[in-house]
Amino acid sequence: QQQVKQSPQSLIVQKGGISIINCAYENTAFDYFPWYQQFPGKGPALLIAIRPDVSEKKEGRFTISFNKSAKQFSLHIMDSQPGDSATYFCAARNTGANNLFFGTGTRLTVIP
Amino acid sequence: DTGVSQDPRHKITKRGQNVTFRCDPISEHNRLYWYRQTLGQGPEFLTYFQNEAQLEKSRLLSDRFSAERPKGSFSTLEIQRTEQGDSAMYLCASSIRGITEAFFGQGTRLTVV
Repeated sequence: QQQVKQSPQSLIVQKGGISIINCAYENTAFDYFPWYQQFPGKGPALLIAIRPDVSEKKEGRFTISFNKSAKQFSLHIMDSQPGDSATYFCAARNTGANNLFFGTGTRLTVIP
Repeated sequence: DTGVSQDPRHKITKRGQNVTFRCDPISEHNRLYWYRQTLGQGPEFLTYFQNEAQLEKSRLLSDRFSAERPKGSFSTLEIQRTEQGDSAMYLCASSIRGITEAFFGQGTRLTVV
């Protein structure tokens, strides 16, 4: 059973456009929601994260929007660049737990 | 390089053979995690160490899998009698304050033929 559902599976965006990736969850005990970026042959790298007491968090061109009532959160990449082309994973952690549940990933391609 | 180091980066083995992977965490990181990532999927948690103690194991960690962290520094993950379904990327991560601040290594890609 997939604890965190992610969409779309793949995304193609023009340079300068906005990339939007969505995730949904059911477990209300989740208290930490990170996004990871993974390039081919590399391990996942933490991009940005949010806790459920905040509805939005912005770091540079990356923004997480969080809707607690809908149990959804999304990653917005503004002014997308070819260097952003990678696979993005959302994840969630149970309160106090020591592991993350990952989504299935979104392969983003930014066309020059 | 002060990041999480994994060795080997790639391993091809025949079905039924045993394999062992090594992870060197970031220095002074007392928490260490193993994850498995299959093609087109997100990483899945396998096990967690705090210092040398293995505190948590996923149901994914069958009895053919064993992980150790003998001195609370590097860790090894051994798979006995490998099966084709074991083919995956095995990722190690370490942190000093918990999974929210964990750094991942580049992984060991295992191919079982």
